[in-house]
Amino acid sequence: DAKTTQPNSMESNEEEPVHLPCNHSTISGTDYIHWYRQLPSQGPEYVIHGLTSNVNNRMASLAIAEDRKSSTLILHRATLRDAAVYYCILRSSNTNAGKSTFGDGTTLTVKP
Amino acid sequence: DGGITQSPKYLFRKEGQNVTLSCEQNLNHDAMYWYRQDPGQGLRLIYYSQIVNDFQKGDIAEGYSVSREKKESFPLTVTSAQKNPTAFYLCASSIFDYLGNNEQFFGPGTRLTVL
Repeated sequence: DAKTTQPNSMESNEEEPVHLPCNHSTISGTDYIHWYRQLPSQGPEYVIHGLTSNVNNRMASLAIAEDRKSSTLILHRATLRDAAVYYCILRSSNTNAGKSTFGDGTTLTVKP
Repeated sequence: DGGITQSPKYLFRKEGQNVTLSCEQNLNHDAMYWYRQDPGQGLRLIYYSQIVNDFQKGDIAEGYSVSREKKESFPLTVTSAQKNPTAFYLCASSIFDYLGNNEQFFGPGTRLTVL
């Protein structure tokens, strides 16, 4: 299964943009890139996902490199409630489509 | 409100005992999943089911068992064969996901502690 690599931690100031990187150099052509975030002692929450084109929703934007070997989750204006562990995962289009591999994620700290 | 419920939130058991964790969803999702999370680490897939009466092993299925007799329920049994069962267990569901193009909805989790 293709794996992802993320920095262990990042810091941001409140109301500033945050760019969270993810490397997935072994991604296959049909892997979707998903982002989730998790607050302490809670279940993860879906943020955004995409295949090839950049994606925007009310929570964030996802920028996908042209070769798809990396992506960046963009929080346009970080708030204190955005402090969480962010996971970048790949979900595959094959007979084991249910499998998702979660790495250790990036712990985002937002400073007031 | 639609969602996923897991019970109980905290569970304690004695070493050597089997214990079953509950997961129920009313989202009409075909697919359900069980993950394990250890402190400071990501999620690891234990079992998943894409349809009723069918399930597949994930990456760390040893010492665990599941059943999928109803669409809305996917209980996980932690058996005495699981050597390090103390962990945070998360259940998730999604619509049938052949392409990998659908989000997973997660429950609030059950924290299991073996005494």
